[in-house]
Amino acid sequence: EADIYQTPRYLVIGTGKKITLECSQTMGHDKMYWYQQDPGMELHLIHYSYGVNSTEKGDLSSESTVSRIRTEHFPLTLESARPSHTSQYLCASTFLSGDRGTDTQYFGPGTRLTVL
Amino acid sequence: KNQVEQSPQSLIILEGKNCTLQCNYTVSPFSNLRWYKQDTGRGPVSLTIMTFSENTKSNGRYTATLDADTKQSSLHITASQLSDSASYICVVSDRGSTLGRLYFGRGTQLTVWP
Repeated sequence: EADIYQTPRYLVIGTGKKITLECSQTMGHDKMYWYQQDPGMELHLIHYSYGVNSTEKGDLSSESTVSRIRTEHFPLTLESARPSHTSQYLCASTFLSGDRGTDTQYFGPGTRLTVL
Repeated sequence: KNQVEQSPQSLIILEGKNCTLQCNYTVSPFSNLRWYKQDTGRGPVSLTIMTFSENTKSNGRYTATLDADTKQSSLHITASQLSDSASYICVVSDRGSTLGRLYFGRGTQLTVWP
C-alpha cells in the first residue's frame, strides 16, 4: 500500500474562504501531482512538480496554487473558494520503475471539497 | 486528438461471473497503458501496466491485454467478487515529454451483486 496521505478527507466551506489541501508522501518520490475529478469523469491534471522548488500548471486551468518546499510535501491552496471549485482532489506521486522507464503513480485517498 | 475511450460506461454482474472491460485509445506516440481500480471515495490503485512489447499481463484474477496495432486494451476479471465493485480506469502514457503525459479514460463502473 502506498504511503501517500491527504488531509482533510472531506471539507465543506463557504464561498470566499481560503483553503489548503495537504498532501504528503513518505516514499521519497521526486514527482508529485494534483488531479481534479468530478463524478463519472476522467482525472484532470491541474499541477505537478518534478522536485523541490519546481511547480508547473497542468492541462486543466485552475485558480489554485501549489508549493514544493520539501520533497515529501505538496500542498494545494485556493485563495478564495467558489462553488465551481466543488470537486474531488487527488494527489499522486511517482518513482521511475524498471528499466523501461515506466512511472508507477501512487494516489492518495483524495479530498472531497464542497463549496457552498 | 489524443483520447482514451472506455466501454461499457457501467456494468452489473453477479458474483462469481467473469467480465471484460474495453479501452480504445488514439494516443500517439505510445509509451505504456495502465489499468487502475478506484473504489468509491478513494484514490486509484494500479492493477497492471503494459508497454508496447507486452500483450498480456496478469495480476491475480485480473488479466489485461494490449493490441498496440489496433490501439485496444481489455481488462478481464475472473470469478468476480463483491469487492471488485469499483470504477476501472484505463490510462495511456505518451513518449512526448519527460513527464510522460497521462491520458485518462472516464472509467467503467462495475457493480458486482451477490
